[in-house]
Order: sequence, then structure tokens, then C-alpha cells
Amino acid sequence: DAGVTQSPTHLIKTRGQHVTLRCSPISGHKSVSWYQQVLGQGPQFIFQYYEKEERGRGNFPDRFSARQFPNYSSELNVNALLLGDSALYLCASSSGQDNQPQHFGDGTRLSIL
Amino acid sequence: GENVEQHPSTLSVQEGDSAVIKCTYSDSASNYFPWYKQELGKGPQLIIDIRSNVGEKKDQRIAVTLNKTAKHFSLHITETQPEDSAVYFCAASIAGGSYIPTFGRGTSLIVHP
Repeated sequence: DAGVTQSPTHLIKTRGQHVTLRCSPISGHKSVSWYQQVLGQGPQFIFQYYEKEERGRGNFPDRFSARQFPNYSSELNVNALLLGDSALYLCASSSGQDNQPQHFGDGTRLSIL
Repeated sequence: GENVEQHPSTLSVQEGDSAVIKCTYSDSASNYFPWYKQELGKGPQLIIDIRSNVGEKKDQRIAVTLNKTAKHFSLHITETQPEDSAVYFCAASIAGGSYIPTFGRGTSLIVHP
């Protein structure tokens, strides 16, 4: 079975640009979460979606937005990119049931020049 | 919100030794504690988890213990091997309908052959 897949694997942007990152969950999983991981730190929660509805939002500015599609895949959008947005962006999927484990993809490495 | 502290930040051991990583959490409502292993260039991989109704859980060379009173939990790896070298993250999640874990800052485990 395929795990969580993310695209692209690497991306280089300049300040002020916009970026869209994509995630396909494990088959049968209805919940997708997005995390930002900067070097030397643990993942920081950005969004969680379940059945196409936002179920949680972390402490990130409004430049960050996301959505989930009917097939449970998801996009993370970041507008007006800043140098500080350079990070590994991780997507995780789960069944969406209470406290079921999340399974992570290998992430998108975003570099802002 | 929840706060998770993880120690040590770096752990160096000889092959065959045991390794112990410790985490503390702040919110007594947390009831699910997963541990993830992250190898270079990869996303975090769930290796073991424990729920608050259990004090200890083992899976081959890996074990996790939980002390709810003291609000701390630990990962124990016995008979370490060079392929155990990675960054390990603990996490805690608060009981509820969604699972939004708070991660520790990670422990870089180095196993010398």
C-alpha cells in the first residue's frame, strides 16, 4: 500500500511569491494534517482537515491556508513568502478517529531566496 | 496549550548499549503519546505509542514507559545498532475528537559501531 505522498519534494521560491504544496493521504484515511519543521526542531502544527472541514489551526499567520478535496487529498497554500518560511513542510494522514496515530509523508523542502 | 520538553538533545552510545530519551508534558489531559523516528531526508516514522491507561509498552528492542502522576514518559532502546541512528521525537496529544500532537524538539541518537 502506498504511504502518504507529497509533491513536489523540493521547491525554491523568492520572497513575495506564492506556493502550493500537495498531499495524498493513505488510502482510507480521511484526515490530513500539515506541519512545518524548521531545522533542529520538532514539527509545528499548521492545519488539520477531516472530511473536507477544518478541524484545527495552529498559530500561523493568515498567509497560510489549506483545503481538502472530496478524494481526501489536500493542498497547503502560502502567500507572500518570507525568508522565515523556509522549512520542511510535512503532511500526515490518519483515519480521523480519536487519537489514532498519524503517518507522515517525506515532506516538501521549501527554500526561500 | 500543551508543552513538551525532551532530553537530551544529543545522545551518543556504543553499539550494543542501551539508550534512553525522556520527555515531560504539561497538560494532564494529554492521553496519547507517540514516538517518531526521523532519518535524514525522510518524514517522521511512528515507532511506538502509548495511551494513558497503560504504564509500559514493548515492541522488540523498543519500550516506552509512562508516569501520569509525574507527567513524563520515556523511550528505551536496548541493544542499539548503527541503523538506530536518527532523530527521535516524542509527542503528546490532548483528549478530544481530533488528534493534534505537540512535539518535543527531538533527540539526535548516534550509535557508534
